[in-house]
Amino acid sequence: GENVEQHPSTLSVQEGDSAVIKCTYSDSASNYFPWYKQELGKRPQLIIDIRSNVGEKKDQRIAVTLNKTAKHFSLHITETQPEDSAVYFCAARDLSGAGSYQLTFGKGTKLSVIP
Amino acid sequence: EAGVTQFPSHSVIEKGQTVTLRCDPISGHDNLYWYRRVMGKEIKFLLHFVKESKQDESGMPNNRFLAERTGGTYSTLKVQPAELEDSGVYFCASSWGQGNIQYFGAGTRLSVL
Repeated sequence: GENVEQHPSTLSVQEGDSAVIKCTYSDSASNYFPWYKQELGKRPQLIIDIRSNVGEKKDQRIAVTLNKTAKHFSLHITETQPEDSAVYFCAARDLSGAGSYQLTFGKGTKLSVIP
Repeated sequence: EAGVTQFPSHSVIEKGQTVTLRCDPISGHDNLYWYRRVMGKEIKFLLHFVKESKQDESGMPNNRFLAERTGGTYSTLKVQPAELEDSGVYFCASSWGQGNIQYFGAGTRLSVL
């Protein structure tokens, strides 16, 4: 089955700096990679996703890059703000229909943005 | 639009007792998923419903866990009898169609003492 590794487990940055979270996956059949943000006591919310036919996707201060050959993808947050503080989860999934539609998650990264 | 709702938000029970968790998906979503996060580890898949049918239950840990989705609307996850290692946060997610975005609930924190 799929295995997703996520690093680092904790990350502290100064407000205004950039943050990068990295994930690797094992199953080459995975072709969909979402990122979820979970603020304390709230639900995990999708913030950005990328499919395997695209190498990079950007949405304002958030970007995700994907390297299919190396089987890794990364979340980049620029100009961090205190409200970016949360736990971030990467995930991988096969949308082909050949297997399960379950999401396989990394262990999460606790991001703290210091004002 | 109402999101995925889960009840209760927190449950504390003793080992050997029974607990039932409930998930109400977003209205109209035919796909419903259960996940669990144990002690700061990764969120792990438990099972997947399409309408009232179990599409994939490969993640269910053992036969102490029973999930139902009668009528294809809300779902329940029963743990009987609960063990200490069942403690964790149980998430429900729903989607319209199998390949679309999964929307998560806030989870039920289960503490087995």
